[in-house]
Amino acid sequence: IAGITQAPTSQILAAGRRMTLRCTQDMRHNAMYWYRQDLGLGLRLIHYSNTAGTTGKGEVPDGYSVSRANTDDFPLTLASAVPSQTSVYFCASSDSSSTGELFFGEGSRLTVL
Amino acid sequence: GQNIDQPTEMTATEGAIVQINCTYQTSGFNGLFWYQQHAGEAPTFLSYNVLDGLEEKGRFSSFLSRSKGYSYLLLKELQMKDSASYLCAVLDSNYQLIWGAGTKLIIKP
Repeated sequence: IAGITQAPTSQILAAGRRMTLRCTQDMRHNAMYWYRQDLGLGLRLIHYSNTAGTTGKGEVPDGYSVSRANTDDFPLTLASAVPSQTSVYFCASSDSSSTGELFFGEGSRLTVL
Repeated sequence: GQNIDQPTEMTATEGAIVQINCTYQTSGFNGLFWYQQHAGEAPTFLSYNVLDGLEEKGRFSSFLSRSKGYSYLLLKELQMKDSASYLCAVLDSNYQLIWGAGTKLIIKP
């Protein structure tokens, strides 16, 4: 079944550790996004990529980095996790960067202690 | 700044009709989107409005008034499975999606 796969689905992490959330899509979509979702807040964009080889900063990029070496993969890295990065992380994709119709992965629940 | 407002929570009865409102103030406008998100799951796309008026899709309809910065999502013949959060989002002039915090809809039998 085509779609977006995220891994891990859930992780508990000690503060200061490095963590990479993986995201893979098989829809050949050009644009990909990483969001975090916290209770009472809307989805907040961390980083995005309009096409393979390019990335950009979203609303809350500090403490996170991304890469887009190919069309399918868009990993999100926390270089040194802090408790405020405890959240649910969603990866999403769209066929172009000028549409708001996004396809989301199932999410990665991250707890930083 | 850019802002999207929608009620935090609404309650409705199975079989009834409910209207979820969304008002927005954004830098430009390239479309308004509604998403449904069941608890513990990913958001899924419901509807898209770029012109004023009503878009109907089965039991769900979405309305847009660009001059008023206002949209609503209308759900008819409510079913228990419609219990979810409904997210309003606007695509601004830079083609960035601005998200509301979501409306949690509780359906009672």
